[in-house]
Amino acid sequence: DTGVSQNPRHKITKRGQNVTFRCDPISEHNRLYWYRQTLGQGPEFLTYFQNEAQLEKSRLLSDRFSAERPKGSFSTLEIQRTEQGDSAMYLCASSSSGTFQETQYFGPGTRLLVL
Amino acid sequence: AQSVTQLGSHVSVSEGALVLLRCNYSSSVPPYLFWYVQYPNQGLQLLLKYTTGATLVKGINGFEAEFKKSETSFHLTKPSAHMSDAAEYFCAVSEGPSGGSYIPTFGRGTSLIVHP
Repeated sequence: DTGVSQNPRHKITKRGQNVTFRCDPISEHNRLYWYRQTLGQGPEFLTYFQNEAQLEKSRLLSDRFSAERPKGSFSTLEIQRTEQGDSAMYLCASSSSGTFQETQYFGPGTRLLVL
Repeated sequence: AQSVTQLGSHVSVSEGALVLLRCNYSSSVPPYLFWYVQYPNQGLQLLLKYTTGATLVKGINGFEAEFKKSETSFHLTKPSAHMSDAAEYFCAVSEGPSGGSYIPTFGRGTSLIVHP
């Protein structure tokens, strides 16, 4: 168990550019979540996968955001035509289904700065 | 719908003093409750959680929390603060299997400052 990893840890981009983040969950975990955290706030749910199926999306996930988990293992979160308001920490978490007492394990996050 | 209110964006204590971080929740169904800690530039780490059963929950690093249904509260305590406890603490609520979603809703966080 190596924990949840996220790459890159930091990303600086110019407004209008596209960015992609990667999350590698704990290997035996079938559920994967993406959150966004802005300064002074708690994490806000964006979307969630069970295996390769994207089961739930928040209203926060605009059309410029897309997430995939093609083989039910790692996941990518892409933001197209970035805006300054997209600047935030993007957190990934994973868990194992089976009961609703599942615990989510978080990665270290990717901090995005849009100039 | 579910929500979490953390009273006090900052709490300052002296090393060795009692730590009390307040959390009140709102949930239309019996809640699952969580406390997470976040150190600078790191992800969130689960301190403890309440699902069912005993209302006093013990977690890691000497922390504990008590679920009080009548007060809709889940306050986090530690008898004696240590310098290494300085971090951001988040309370979260999710609805159990009888509810609509188990996706947690997080509070805005409380920054714990520990003075020597």
